[in-house]
Amino acid sequence: AQTVTQSQPEMSVQEAETVTLSCTYDTSESDYYLFWYKQPPSRQMILVIRQEAYKQQNATENRFSVNFQKAAKSFSLKISDSQLGDAAMYFCAYSLADKLIFGTGTRLQVFP
Amino acid sequence: EAGVTQSPTHLIKTRGQQATLRCSPISGHTSVYWYQQALGLGLQFLLWYDEGEERNRGNFPPRFSGRQFPNYSSELNVNALELEDSALYLCASSLVPGHMNTEAFFGQGTRLTVV
Repeated sequence: AQTVTQSQPEMSVQEAETVTLSCTYDTSESDYYLFWYKQPPSRQMILVIRQEAYKQQNATENRFSVNFQKAAKSFSLKISDSQLGDAAMYFCAYSLADKLIFGTGTRLQVFP
Repeated sequence: EAGVTQSPTHLIKTRGQQATLRCSPISGHTSVYWYQQALGLGLQFLLWYDEGEERNRGNFPPRFSGRQFPNYSSELNVNALELEDSALYLCASSLVPGHMNTEAFFGQGTRLTVV
């Protein structure tokens, strides 16, 4: 069965510093997609970054980048130059055809 | 362009009652997905509708049901409410039906509280 594990229920970071959120997943598929979603207090899920499993190059979106280790089934999110607005729940997700499999989330706090 | 919209924002029901939640996808999206986010858990896939038909459902009992209208908006109905149904219900739509590999756009959810 496909599962997504986020082992850090909470993380904190100082403004302007860098933080890394961890995610591991389990799948027998060879071609799939991985995502990081952000859920601020407004509750709306916002796509942060997406990685296609067949691409070896790690995806980047401005201050957000991933470390994708396919053999280890690891997909961590690095946030550089953290800002107060980055405070939110972050969910790692795996795409299985018509559904997304989500982890249980990591709450990120950003301190000034 | 309007995003995915959900109503109501909050809903309080008594155990045993029925709840109806509504969702309008982004214009041009024909697929609507429903997810349940219970406290402390990640999102759990509930249902997928496309072109008016239920295409797939997650591991939820039959009292969770819904429908999709000709304008592609959707309703989620939860019958015989139980306390553990209290959760945030999120709706999403995607550009390519049945393929969450493309970006899935989410609404802001309906917070259902069962008392």
